[in-house]
Amino acid sequence: AQTVTQSQPEMSVQEAETVTLSCTYDTSESDYYLFWYKQPPSRQMILVIRQEAYKQQNATENRFSVNFQKAAKSFSLKISDSQLGDAAMYFCALFGNEKLTFGTGTRLTIIP
Amino acid sequence: GAVVSQHPSRVICKSGTSVKIECRSLDFQATTMFWYRQFPKQSLMLMATSNEGSKATYEQGVEKDKFLINHASLTLSTLTVTSAHPEDSSFYICSARDDGQVYGYTFGSGTRLTVV
Repeated sequence: AQTVTQSQPEMSVQEAETVTLSCTYDTSESDYYLFWYKQPPSRQMILVIRQEAYKQQNATENRFSVNFQKAAKSFSLKISDSQLGDAAMYFCALFGNEKLTFGTGTRLTIIP
Repeated sequence: GAVVSQHPSRVICKSGTSVKIECRSLDFQATTMFWYRQFPKQSLMLMATSNEGSKATYEQGVEKDKFLINHASLTLSTLTVTSAHPEDSSFYICSARDDGQVYGYTFGSGTRLTVV
């Protein structure tokens, strides 16, 4: 079985500042992918960033970057220059053994 | 980019009736689709994996006779909630896997089901 744990139910950050969302996971698979999804009030799931487990280099997508620590099974998301449009639920997810497993989510609030 | 259409976006039905939700990949073929359920302020829970031309695989605790899944073509999967009850009220989201990509999962926009 694979599990994904997000220990921060809620986070807030001042606009233009940087925030880091935490995620840990567990899996017995050697080949897997890790993701951060954003779910705004519309409930549409939006892929923010992905990381292949075999890649050592941390993924980056514009203002979004991850800190992937494979040995520690940790996968945090850093959002730089936070914007009002970043406010949403953020889910960490692991794809392995043909299944996508989600964490419980972190609600991010942006303070103007 | 890849688009998944999920319909209806919102439905209200009477207790005891059945409701069908469609999940359609618009510009790619999807042998595999997934159905999730999301309770308010909670995460997405995988209900079942739908495979074209074969029976769906249900997660533990999901009643296959209540949640009927049909994946009759490479672009369409349907979820039918049979004999719906108020406790079935929830947000249902589908996801389709693009056959042409190593990882190519696209989510539908979800269906809010309310059983009264």
